[in-house]
Amino acid sequence: AQTVTQSQPEMSVQEAETVTLSCTYDTSENNYYLFWYKQPPSRQMILVIRQEAYKQQNATENRFSVNFQKAAKSFSLKISDSQLGDTAMYFCAFTVWGGADGLTFGKGTHLIIQP
Amino acid sequence: DVKVTQSSRYLVKRTGEKVFLECVQDMDHENMFWYRQDPGLGLRLIYFSYDVKMKEKGDIPEGYSVSREKKERFSLILESASTNQTSMYLCASSWTSGRSGQYFGPGTRLTVT
Repeated sequence: AQTVTQSQPEMSVQEAETVTLSCTYDTSENNYYLFWYKQPPSRQMILVIRQEAYKQQNATENRFSVNFQKAAKSFSLKISDSQLGDTAMYFCAFTVWGGADGLTFGKGTHLIIQP
Repeated sequence: DVKVTQSSRYLVKRTGEKVFLECVQDMDHENMFWYRQDPGLGLRLIYFSYDVKMKEKGDIPEGYSVSREKKERFSLILESASTNQTSMYLCASSWTSGRSGQYFGPGTRLTVT
């Protein structure tokens, strides 16, 4: 069974700062996908960024980037130039290749961007 | 854009009632999922389906059943609602490989009194 751990229940930073959210996972699989999801107060879950385990290059989407360390089973999310709209719950998630088994989620990090 | 819709945003039911939560996706996705979300517990998988009329139990299937008669529609059924099923229910869908992630609906906040 897979597990995903987010060790930071809540974080708070000032607007325009850079913030890093941590995530570790445990699996015996070699082919899998990792994701970061954002859930704003409106509660619609939105995919932020994804990483395929066989790719060594870290994924980047505008201000969002990941630091994927496969050997350490670590998958952190960096948000640069944080904005008030980044305030949300952030969930790290894992699925094995094939994807039909569903996502395993961490318990989330509540990120607050202060003006 | 992928759209996943759920039949209700808020629902209040009484203990013992049969409850139907409906989910529809418009992207011809093969896979569909039901999760429940509770504070401090994150999201937990209830059931999923990788094809019409196919279903698989997730991590917490007890007290729930599902139905998938059409590819675009996946229903979650609470046969006899109980207060411990008060929660946020999220539906999601994805293509077979899962590499693009799952697309979520807006959620249904169910309260059982």
